[in-house]
Amino acid sequence: GAGVSQSPSNKVTEKGKDVELRCDPISGHTALYWYRQRLGQGLEFLIYFQGNSAPDKSGLPSDRFSAERTGESVSTLTIQRTQQEDSAVYLCASSTQASGNTIYFGEGSWLTVV
Amino acid sequence: DQQVKQNSPSLSVQEGRISILNCDYTNSMFDYFLWYKKYPAEGPTFLISISSIKDKNEDGRFTVFLNKSAKHLSLHIVPSQPGDSAVYFCAASSQTSGSRLTFGEGTQLTVNP
Repeated sequence: GAGVSQSPSNKVTEKGKDVELRCDPISGHTALYWYRQRLGQGLEFLIYFQGNSAPDKSGLPSDRFSAERTGESVSTLTIQRTQQEDSAVYLCASSTQASGNTIYFGEGSWLTVV
Repeated sequence: DQQVKQNSPSLSVQEGRISILNCDYTNSMFDYFLWYKKYPAEGPTFLISISSIKDKNEDGRFTVFLNKSAKHLSLHIVPSQPGDSAVYFCAASSQTSGSRLTFGEGTQLTVNP
């Protein structure tokens, strides 16, 4: 497809388990972002990849969170030892210099930690 | 430290009337502002943007106004339609943040038929 693709769309996991969320950005987009939205709250920045530069990890809430990106393609967000407060929708977005400051979101991965 | 704030969590208007969604920011380095719309179970979609060199940008039924001195922007939708019912997020960026956007908390707009 032409848009940002995320998987899984829904994930229910037990507290303490690790989860991996995947993002396929729009082809040709050099920048990739992870945001999350917890219930009743706004969009919270997590991490930003731009080309081959070092990622901006300043939004990651704890060392249980990490993300990787392979070149300018797929990214995975990993949450280790999940906690109930990690329950949220995790949104991936991508952009290109041609799109300026406009970023394009996927539909999100809904994570529920029980 | 909430740098972008949307103080109204919800707004309800009648179909055909004007919807006005407000957003305030504190970071004077912000120079680009966007509005996103989000339907339930979908990702946010880009709606309209404005650069700090302008004070108004219009696209069809949607107009964004920027008041830099007040650090305030607003989104006007006229006429409002039931299909406009969604959560609207205000976002801002600066040259130093690149394309990284800082979002507000969102405002749930409900347009009643």
